[in-house]
Amino acid sequence: GAVVSQHPSRVICKSGTSVKIECRSLDFQATTMFWYRQFPKQSLMLMATSNEGSKATYEQGVEKDKFLINHASLTLSTLTVTSAHPEDSSFYICSASRGGGQPQHFGDGTRLSIL
Amino acid sequence: SQQGEEDPQALSIQEGENATMNCSYKTSINNLQWYRQNSGRGLVHLILIRSNEREKHSGRLRVTLDTSKKSSSLLITASRAADTASYFCATDGGYGNNRLAFGKGNQVVVIP
Repeated sequence: GAVVSQHPSRVICKSGTSVKIECRSLDFQATTMFWYRQFPKQSLMLMATSNEGSKATYEQGVEKDKFLINHASLTLSTLTVTSAHPEDSSFYICSASRGGGQPQHFGDGTRLSIL
Repeated sequence: SQQGEEDPQALSIQEGENATMNCSYKTSINNLQWYRQNSGRGLVHLILIRSNEREKHSGRLRVTLDTSKKSSSLLITASRAADTASYFCATDGGYGNNRLAFGKGNQVVVIP
């Protein structure tokens, strides 16, 4: 099956630090990658949609300067949380899709804790 | 905006019993998908049902879709302790790029 690797799985850092999260599709070329945020016992909130070689499309209310997304290749997308603060603490999950109505395949998520 | 919206439920059942959960949505869809999430992990795709399909089976899973009522159900038969997880429905509105709207999720606990 399709495998998506997300790294790191957990980050604990001080307020003001910038944190980069990587999302890789290991065995398929992902036309589109997605970044979600999930609060405890809640659903996934789509943050942005990332297409290879073009700028990400952010959902309403998501600050693009705060959450920098780079989709440099068909197998790699990165999310950088810039100058992170405690309110940015959350579970961030990426997914990748081949497109054409195919299901999304998810990484295992990154638990971000800002002290 | 959220399209797939199921009432968040906490369902606790005995191993071997069937588990049923529901999902409702508000707008037209291209397909509806169900995902499972184990605690602290990513989501695993379970099954996809297209808007022109009414029922679909995959192993112990049975999904129904009623587009007139804008609702779907997921049935897990002969549940096992390993089925303990949160289950989410997600709708693809067919706007391109496979963008999904997730529902609130159902927490299922299967007691051995």
